[in-house]
Amino acid sequence: AQTVTQSQPEMSVQEAETVTLSCTYDTSESDYYLFWYKQPPSRQMILVIRQEAYKQQNATENRFSVNFQKAAKSFSLKISDSQLGDAAMYFCAYRSAMKGSQGNLIFGKGTKLSVKP
Amino acid sequence: NAGVTQTPKFQVLKTGQSMTLQCAQDMNHNSMYWYRQDPGMGLRLIYYSASEGTTDKGEVPNGYNVSRLNKREFSLRLESAAPSQTSVYFCASQIQTGNYGYTFGSGTRLTVV
Repeated sequence: AQTVTQSQPEMSVQEAETVTLSCTYDTSESDYYLFWYKQPPSRQMILVIRQEAYKQQNATENRFSVNFQKAAKSFSLKISDSQLGDAAMYFCAYRSAMKGSQGNLIFGKGTKLSVKP
Repeated sequence: NAGVTQTPKFQVLKTGQSMTLQCAQDMNHNSMYWYRQDPGMGLRLIYYSASEGTTDKGEVPNGYNVSRLNKREFSLRLESAAPSQTSVYFCASQIQTGNYGYTFGSGTRLTVV
């Protein structure tokens, strides 16, 4: 079974600085997707960024980028120029892309990010 | 706006009471899911429905039942609520293939006293 581990329960960053959230996963599959979700205090789950395992190029969405290391099974999220609105819970998630997979996401336990003004 | 609609947003139940959480999506997605979120535990899958007419157990199905009423609707029922079911519940949907990820509902905060 696949597992997702987020080893940092809490992180803090100064406004305008850069922070990196860690995520590792365990799988024997070769084809899968990885995601980062943001959950602000409103409770809404918001997709931040996604990565296909077959792509070597790291995904980027504005100030958010990932460092995907397939051999190391690592998928970290970098937030540049942190803003107060980035304060939230961040979840890393894995989804199998293997044929016959049911497609459900497996989530890590989350990292709570605080942004200091 | 297109998306996933969950009702209710908040609910307090007494131990032993029953209730149904409703979920509907208007994006023509095949797959729908119910998760619970507890502090320090992340999101854990309760049940899912890969397509209309099918349902399967997830990681934590005990104490719950589901119904995929049609392609749009996927409900979660607690037959006899227990304090251990106090949690935030999320419904989600997705196209079954591709890298699009989930679209989530806004969640239901359920307290069982």
